[in-house]
Amino acid sequence: QVQLQESGPGLVKPSQTLSLTCTVSGGSISSGGYYWSWIRQHPGKGLEWIGYIYYSGSTYYNPSLKSRVTISVDTSKNQFSLKLSSVTAADTAVYYCARGYSGYDYYFDYWGQGTLVTVSS
Amino acid sequence: SSELTQDPAVSVALGQTVRITCQGDSLRSYYASWYQQKPGQAPVLVIYGKNNRPSGIPDRFSGSSSGNTASLTITGAQAEDEADYYCNSRDSSGNHLGVFGGGTKLTVL
Repeated sequence: QVQLQESGPGLVKPSQTLSLTCTVSGGSISSGGYYWSWIRQHPGKGLEWIGYIYYSGSTYYNPSLKSRVTISVDTSKNQFSLKLSSVTAADTAVYYCARGYSGYDYYFDYWGQGTLVTVSS
Repeated sequence: SSELTQDPAVSVALGQTVRITCQGDSLRSYYASWYQQKPGQAPVLVIYGKNNRPSGIPDRFSGSSSGNTASLTITGAQAEDEADYYCNSRDSSGNHLGVFGGGTKLTVL
């Protein structure tokens, strides 16, 4: 059973960089076939796809966030990470990491529990 | 278009059948997936592909698609099915970009 767990600061100051890490257990990022993903949910709102990374390092980002987002992978630690720069209060959200599949099927089958990140001074 | 459109709210009487829909240009080319989210919890995948259920998802959940519309059907809705439901698919650009629908709040009466 694949499990994902987000970690990182719950409070970030405006204009700084939000940094989160997702640790994967029960499966290897290096095994391929899946896209390791970040998704967020603003308080009381819907889900927003941020982007994902393949184990090879290929990345795909939401065009609306692309200029501020970096997703990286550390296969030796079976982790992947999110960096979102120049944050504002509008980036306050629950951030989820998830395992994704992209083909004619497209889905996220395993999710972390989510971590609330608040942007405030 | 990279948008998926869902009705904001739907209600169903206990034990009856309800269909939740999702519309978008990308659905002409790619299958939608569906997620159930209860308050304070992470989303859970309930349907993916043509009509596939992950292990542990009751068979009262089913999916279908026609043209630019994907549907999630709950046959014999239970009280525990009251939740938010989101559809998701690839962007119609052909790249591996993702998009979610705005979500449908399902109330079981």
